[in-house]
Amino acid sequence: RKEVEQDPGPFNVPEGATVAFNCTYSNSASQSFFWYRQDCRKEPKLLMSVYSSGNEDGRFTAQLNRASQYISLLIRDSKLSDSATYLCVVNPGGFKTIFGAGTRLFVKA
Amino acid sequence: DVKVTQSSRYLVKRTGEKVFLECVQDMDHENMFWYRQDPGLGLRLIYFSYDVKMKEKGDIPEGYSVSREKKERFSLILESASTNQTSMYLCASSAGGVDSPLHFGNGTRLTVT
Repeated sequence: RKEVEQDPGPFNVPEGATVAFNCTYSNSASQSFFWYRQDCRKEPKLLMSVYSSGNEDGRFTAQLNRASQYISLLIRDSKLSDSATYLCVVNPGGFKTIFGAGTRLFVKA
Repeated sequence: DVKVTQSSRYLVKRTGEKVFLECVQDMDHENMFWYRQDPGLGLRLIYFSYDVKMKEKGDIPEGYSVSREKKERFSLILESASTNQTSMYLCASSAGGVDSPLHFGNGTRLTVT
């Protein structure tokens, strides 16, 4: 089993749609969680950290469920510019950060 | 904003050459990392450093070495480049602590022929 698993997609959605990604992790002692966005042939960029209480940043909402060991990302009112690969990232403690393989999102006009 | 700068955006090298990839960060971050990213394999950690002159192997250190002589600079060295080292190389830094996110440079696309 991979340490961090994501549905690779692709997710194809129309503009204005709501789309949700899930990610599961295997290490129950994991301590911190992030979502990154990566555009084609570019570096990953931090989208948001994920906190136990859940957090929201504009159209983006992240949730953490420690009991079930998954995190989620919800994007509301999708824009064309949201098209990218979304990486789930988990830090199990220490210096090693584990990246999921990413979920590709295509938003269509 | 954190700035992580990688010296080259694209590199083409020949098999057997010694290759240096340079990375500089301007935020006084403690930790620096080198990853490679390949289609279908995601990001894989090659080496990291948590202090000057300190280095630790990541998941795929074979064929690579690193150097961190100054806090802001972390170099990745391919001792004898091989075609299977053709990849996108990403440098990252973080402030330290498990809650600190990684900040990436814009990557170096290395082709070994």
